[in-house]
Amino acid sequence: KAGVTQTPRYLIKTRGQQVTLSCSPISGHRSVSWYQQTPGQGLQFLFEYFSETQRNKGNFPGRFSGRQFSNSRSEMNVSTLELGDSALYLCASSLELGGQDDEQFFGPGTRLTVL
Amino acid sequence: DAKTTQPTSMDCAEGRAANLPCNHSTISGNEYVYWYRQIHSQGPQYIIHGLKNNETNEMASLIITEDRKSSTLILPHATLRDTAVYYCIVRGERGYQKVTFGTGTKLQVIP
Repeated sequence: KAGVTQTPRYLIKTRGQQVTLSCSPISGHRSVSWYQQTPGQGLQFLFEYFSETQRNKGNFPGRFSGRQFSNSRSEMNVSTLELGDSALYLCASSLELGGQDDEQFFGPGTRLTVL
Repeated sequence: DAKTTQPTSMDCAEGRAANLPCNHSTISGNEYVYWYRQIHSQGPQYIIHGLKNNETNEMASLIITEDRKSSTLILPHATLRDTAVYYCIVRGERGYQKVTFGTGTKLQVIP
């Protein structure tokens, strides 16, 4: 079974631009979560989607948004990019919405650099 | 979700057991302890999880204290490929809401 895939793997943008990242979960998984990883802050939760609905959201500004499609694929968007948005963005999928034995499987991430 | 505290870094000799501690003193009754690891430039990889009983799988063992305020991940025979950052998190049954992985423990396995 194929793992979680994320595209693109690397991205360079300039301040003020916007960016869209894509995530394809493991086949059959219905929950997708997004995380931001920076050297100083570690891995921080952005949001979680299940059945095309955002179920949980972390403490990030409204410039960060996402959506999930009927096939469970998900996209996240960051508008008006700032230098501090440079990070590794990780997507993770799980079967359901975090049941007892429902671990997350992570993708390789998208490395975003904002200049 | 409860917060966790882990040492910043640890060393372990190759072939020896690596014991990684985690403190989660504010864990509540319905929260599980999960361990993940992240090898450089890759996404985190699930290792093991538990509620209150000790757990073992092909990768590791998880020892949870009786009061559930701390746990230890044990890699029985560490290899160089186990060099990674290890994250301990706690979460409830429903969703990964606001789960914070923190900065984890950097385990260096030494030849």
